[in-house]
Amino acid sequence: NAGVTQTPKFRILKIGQSMTLQCTQDMNHNYMYWYRQDPGMGLKLIYYSVGAGITDKGEVPNGYNVSRSTTEDFPLRLELAAPSQTSVYFCASSYRAGERNEQYFGPGTRLTVT
Amino acid sequence: EDKVVQSPLSLVVHEGDTVTLNCSYEVTNFRSLLWYKQEKKAPTFLFMLTSSGIEKKSGRLSSILDKKELSSILNITATQTGDSAIYLCAYDNYGQNFVFGPGTRLSVLP
Repeated sequence: NAGVTQTPKFRILKIGQSMTLQCTQDMNHNYMYWYRQDPGMGLKLIYYSVGAGITDKGEVPNGYNVSRSTTEDFPLRLELAAPSQTSVYFCASSYRAGERNEQYFGPGTRLTVT
Repeated sequence: EDKVVQSPLSLVVHEGDTVTLNCSYEVTNFRSLLWYKQEKKAPTFLFMLTSSGIEKKSGRLSSILDKKELSSILNITATQTGDSAIYLCAYDNYGQNFVFGPGTRLSVLP
């Protein structure tokens, strides 16, 4: 299993540009998450999904959109990039059943908006 | 508002020392508490603590959950330079997501 994969690893955007961060997991996990991590800070939840076709906002959803058309994929869309969105983005997945719920993280995407 | 507090935020020790990292939470619907280690890249899972499993151990690392005090500690004995990382604590609420603390940055000097 590849686990959770993310592309691209790095990206520089100009203000106002848009892009999609890709995330794929091959563990048949039902839950998927997008986090951002600013320097010296913990992880903040942007959006999450409990299954294909179902998404919900996290703590910091403004400026982002997601979709979950399949179990495997959970892309994150930035429509009008702003400097405040400069961050490292992590995608994660978990299989929640009973007390099982440990998350597995992708390698991250480092995004700079200038 | 649910939140997770970690202390200290930063810690510098020498190889061989024992460290204790703290995590406390204020939550409305506790399900479990998780510890992660983050080196240069993505967080990696260490432990999950629940009502039915309040103490976990793996090698030199161990963790205890105190549901009464709404807190958890992560102990690392005989620290090594490879233990240098950010240690993240997160709680899982029944709101189907996770809330992370700010992390403790541990530096182990040779």
